[in-house]
Amino acid sequence: DAGVTQSPTHLIKTRGQQVTLRCSPKSGHDTVSWYQQALGQGPQFIFQYYEEEERQRGNFPDRFSGHQFPNYSSELNVNALLLGDSALYLCASTLDRNTEAFFGQGTRLTVV
Amino acid sequence: AQKVTQAQTEISVVEKEDVTLDCVYETRDTTYYLFWYKQPPSGELVFLIRRNSFDEQNEISGRYSWNFQKSTSSFNFTITASQVVDSAVYFCALSEAGGYGQNFVFGPGTRLSVLP
Repeated sequence: DAGVTQSPTHLIKTRGQQVTLRCSPKSGHDTVSWYQQALGQGPQFIFQYYEEEERQRGNFPDRFSGHQFPNYSSELNVNALLLGDSALYLCASTLDRNTEAFFGQGTRLTVV
Repeated sequence: AQKVTQAQTEISVVEKEDVTLDCVYETRDTTYYLFWYKQPPSGELVFLIRRNSFDEQNEISGRYSWNFQKSTSSFNFTITASQVVDSAVYFCALSEAGGYGQNFVFGPGTRLSVLP
């Protein structure tokens, strides 16, 4: 049983560009959350998707947007990249709020 | 607002020593969940334990144990007889019980190095 998979593993982008990160949840999970983890810090909640809709959102600007597909996989899009967007982006999936979240290995984004 | 504090930034111990990682949280909710996750160098967060706010019973799982004290808003984690494989960053996290849950507030993490 595959766990949470994210792609790509590493990415280098130039300031001002746009990026799309992808996440496939653990089999049977229908809820996907995205987190940003800056170097040396704990992950910060970006948003959560359920039934193809954004259900909750953390304190992130509108440059951060997402999408969930009918097969529950998800994308995170970041527009107008800033140097400060450089971080490890983690995807987590759950079946419902009463189960633990499973995390992927993340996408390391570097903005130069 | 919810907040999690892990005052220990880095800890180094020699193999077989016991080590305790501290976690203090703040929340106005009466019902909430507390978690510990381990992040090895590979990057993924590995679930260790979840505890709800009504369950203050301490728990032991193998070499791991957890001490939840609601009166001091602390949820500390102890590794007994540490091993080199325990080296990782450990995060304490808080999640609301109402709403949709699973939107964690993480602490800054404690980097544990276990030396042979």
